[in-house]
Amino acid sequence: GNSVTQMEGPVTLSEEAFLTINCTYTATGYPSLFWYVQYPGEGLQLLLKATKADDKGSNKGFEATYRKETTSFHLEKGSVQVSDSAVYFCALRVGQGGKLIFGQGTELSVKP
Amino acid sequence: NAGVTQTPKFQVLKTGQSMTLQCAQDMNHNSMYWYRQDPGMGLRLIYYSASEGTTDKGEVPNGYNVSRLNKREFSLRLESAAPSQTSVYFCASSEEGQTYFGPGTRLTVT
Repeated sequence: GNSVTQMEGPVTLSEEAFLTINCTYTATGYPSLFWYVQYPGEGLQLLLKATKADDKGSNKGFEATYRKETTSFHLEKGSVQVSDSAVYFCALRVGQGGKLIFGQGTELSVKP
Repeated sequence: NAGVTQTPKFQVLKTGQSMTLQCAQDMNHNSMYWYRQDPGMGLRLIYYSASEGTTDKGEVPNGYNVSRLNKREFSLRLESAAPSQTSVYFCASSEEGQTYFGPGTRLTVT
């Protein structure tokens, strides 16, 4: 079946540190991959996406590359800010329908 | 353009009570979804509706019913609430691969 596994949190970093949140997936077919962010008390917002192998999604300084050979879609940011504190979800979608399969989420806390 | 809206924002129920969570979208999307979010488990799909007049079960449908009232509205009903249904519920809609989420309903069942 289809599934997503993320590194466990919480992750605590100092401001300006480098961030990596690991995400690996199992899927039949050719999934699209997503990172969503959830700020405290809010719903999920799309952060970035990649629809085919070797695509790189990027937004707000965050990047993730679709690696088919390692079935991974790790999220990275070179220098985190306090405002990046949130829960980050990796997700996949197989086919054209909108159903998403989510990882368990990784809480990020950035300290000044 | 409000996007996806949900009511109520918070709700406390006693075991056995019933309630309906409301969701509406103003983006003219065909597809709508209900997810629940539990600590350490991400979001899991309860029910979805690919178009007006159709509904299908997701990963965790037991204890829930849904109604796709029209293209805009998709409601989730708990007929007899149980403590295991304590969760945060998110409604979403999608079109052409882009999914938009509502702000969520935090439900506690005591």
